[in-house]
Amino acid sequence: DGGITQSPKYLFRKEGQNVTLSCEQNLNHDAMYWYRQDPGQGLRLIYYSQIVNDFQKGDIAEGYSVSREKKESFPLTVTSAQKNPTAFYLCASSGGTSGYNEQFFGPGTRLTVL
Amino acid sequence: QKEVEQNSGPLSVPEGAIASLNCTYSDRGSQSFFWYRQYSGKSPELIMSIYSNGDKEDGRFTAQLNKASQYVSLLIRDSQPSDSATYLCAQKGGDSNYQLIWGAGTKLIIKP
Repeated sequence: DGGITQSPKYLFRKEGQNVTLSCEQNLNHDAMYWYRQDPGQGLRLIYYSQIVNDFQKGDIAEGYSVSREKKESFPLTVTSAQKNPTAFYLCASSGGTSGYNEQFFGPGTRLTVL
Repeated sequence: QKEVEQNSGPLSVPEGAIASLNCTYSDRGSQSFFWYRQYSGKSPELIMSIYSNGDKEDGRFTAQLNKASQYVSLLIRDSQPSDSATYLCAQKGGDSNYQLIWGAGTKLIIKP
């Protein structure tokens, strides 16, 4: 089955730690995205990548880093510089071939800072 | 600043009635819109796309785009309790092939 997987589902971080969230897709999509969602809020774009080895900052990139070494994978690292990282993190991908940019989401990772 | 705006709700609708969700936008540069449904604690799921002025129907769902008034609507006929969720409206960014401009979502509650 084609889809997007994210792991882990739940993640707990101590103050001062870096943590990495995994996102993998087998949809053969070119573009991938990371969003953050806080309770009762909409989606805010952290980073996105249109092709392998290239990525752009979104609206709230400070304290986060990404890499795109493979088309299928787009991991997100939440660094200790991110002062309030507790949130629901969503990875998405889009094929781009239709020109309409429908985005499809993974199940999400819920990060809590202890 | 390009924006997509939605009433946060909650919008309460009796079971079996028509639920009407609305979204207004500021960027006239793109006419591609998407409606996502998000259940509590889950990720968003794409339910409708609309790319041209007028109506598009898919089962119990109808999306309406009115370019002149810059709004997009989602109608849900014969509302069911399982339709209770937050509905997110998104617009393809006019100056980007990849980014979406997101509304904050409307919480819909279907009362049995």
